[in-house]
Amino acid sequence: QLVLTQSPSASASLGASVKLTCTLSSGHSSYAIAWHQQQPEKGPRYLMKLNNDGSHNKGDGIPDRFSGSSSGAERYLTISSLQSEDEADYYCQTWGTGIHWVFGGGTKLTVL
Amino acid sequence: EVQLVESGGGLVQPGGSLRLSCAASGFTFSSYWMHWVRQAPGKGLVWVSRINSDGSSTRYADSVKGRFTISRDNAKNALYLQMNSLRAEDTAVYYCARDGPGGWGQGTLVTVSS
Repeated sequence: QLVLTQSPSASASLGASVKLTCTLSSGHSSYAIAWHQQQPEKGPRYLMKLNNDGSHNKGDGIPDRFSGSSSGAERYLTISSLQSEDEADYYCQTWGTGIHWVFGGGTKLTVL
Repeated sequence: EVQLVESGGGLVQPGGSLRLSCAASGFTFSSYWMHWVRQAPGKGLVWVSRINSDGSSTRYADSVKGRFTISRDNAKNALYLQMNSLRAEDTAVYYCARDGPGGWGQGTLVTVSS
């Protein structure tokens, strides 16, 4: 079964960097994912598509502070030079058979 | 700029029906697969349904299969979700979203309650 696992919470200081993790279930380590950001009381925003080789394509207007990388079944979102507006929920999403979406549970990022 | 604007949400009684719409602009709507995703209060994102670019193929989450119908009108740049036999557990903000690369609307709230 295709499952994405994310830590429920993460925190980092203003101006620092943070690396969020999304883990693909066994047998699905080659899958690409997408990262989405949801700021409080707002709709989600597409950040990027991240391939298993670490290559990624960011959405329009996404700052260079946001980058993606991959290692095995793990997909990462790194945010550098953290700003207060980066405090948000971050969801990873992948594509199941027949092109349906599967979401991770989300990581709530707190900027200290 | 990709713009997706949902409408049609509201309060409906259990067993009732509602039709959501999503108006698309800023891109060639007919070229993209589209999805509906929902988010119950305080919870995460849950995929509901998707439709391919010409409307010939659809797919649904098990929780809504047989009750919800996704459709699109490429001439009107519009996506729809017909929701029948609504239940309390369908209460959520419903988002339309574009696939490959993504884009999201601001959502419309559906509340199922007597």
